[in-house]
Amino acid sequence: QLHLQESGPGLVKPSETLSLTCTVSGGSISDMSYYWGWLRQPPGKGLEWIGSIQYSGSTYYNPSLKSRVIISLDTPKNQLSLKVTSVTAADTGVYYCARADGDAVAGIMYDPWGQGTLVTVSS
Amino acid sequence: SFALTQPPSVSVSPGQTARITCSGDALSRQYACWYQQKTGQAPVLVIRKDSERPSGIPERFSGSSSGKSVTLTISGVQAEDEADYHCQSADSGLSSIFGGGTRLTVL
Repeated sequence: QLHLQESGPGLVKPSETLSLTCTVSGGSISDMSYYWGWLRQPPGKGLEWIGSIQYSGSTYYNPSLKSRVIISLDTPKNQLSLKVTSVTAADTGVYYCARADGDAVAGIMYDPWGQGTLVTVSS
Repeated sequence: SFALTQPPSVSVSPGQTARITCSGDALSRQYACWYQQKTGQAPVLVIRKDSERPSGIPERFSGSSSGKSVTLTISGVQAEDEADYHCQSADSGLSSIFGGGTRLTVL
C-alpha cells in the first residue's frame, strides 16, 4: 500500500526558504502511470494546489506561487521535495504531498495524501 | 477566471440526505473530485470524475454533475460523516484548483 510522509522544519523565518521532503514507500516515484503533487492548507482555510511534477522531471506550478516554488524528484531516495523562497506569514499552513493521476481531459485526482506537516512562518 | 464556489456550511440530522454543491464555469467541461477531511486529518478522495466512487468508499456517497455545477450527495448521513468536504477540478494541463470547502455538521 502506498504511503507518503512529509518532513522538514516546522518553523521558518520570514524571507527565508521553506524546504520540505516527501518520502514515498510502497511504490516508486518513477512509476510512469502517476505523478506527484504538493498542496497546502492555511489554518482554518481551504486547500491550495502548489504544483506537480512528473517522473520525467516536468513541473507545473500554481501561477500565484510560480516565481517562488521549486519541486524536484530524488529518484534513488524515492523522494520529492518542495522549496518555497522568500516566505511570509501567508505561507503558514499544513503542507501535503500526494500522488496525482489524470489531466485536464481525463480529470485530475490526488490519492493518497501524506499526513501533512505544519509549517509556521515567524521570527 | 477559473474559480470553484462551495457553501461554507451544511447541516443535516442523522439519517437524512446531505447535498453539497460546487459551482464554476469550467465544471461544464472539466471533471471534478470530492475529498473528505476530518478534523486534524489529511483529505481522502471520496468521488472522482464527477461520480465515480473509489474502492472502500461507502455507497452512501455519490456524485453528480449538471451544467456548471457538481453535487456530492451523502444518503443516510452518519455521525462519522461530519467533516469538511472539498471539491477540486483541473484547470489547464496538470493545474488544479479547489473550492473553499464546506463544513458538514451532523446535528
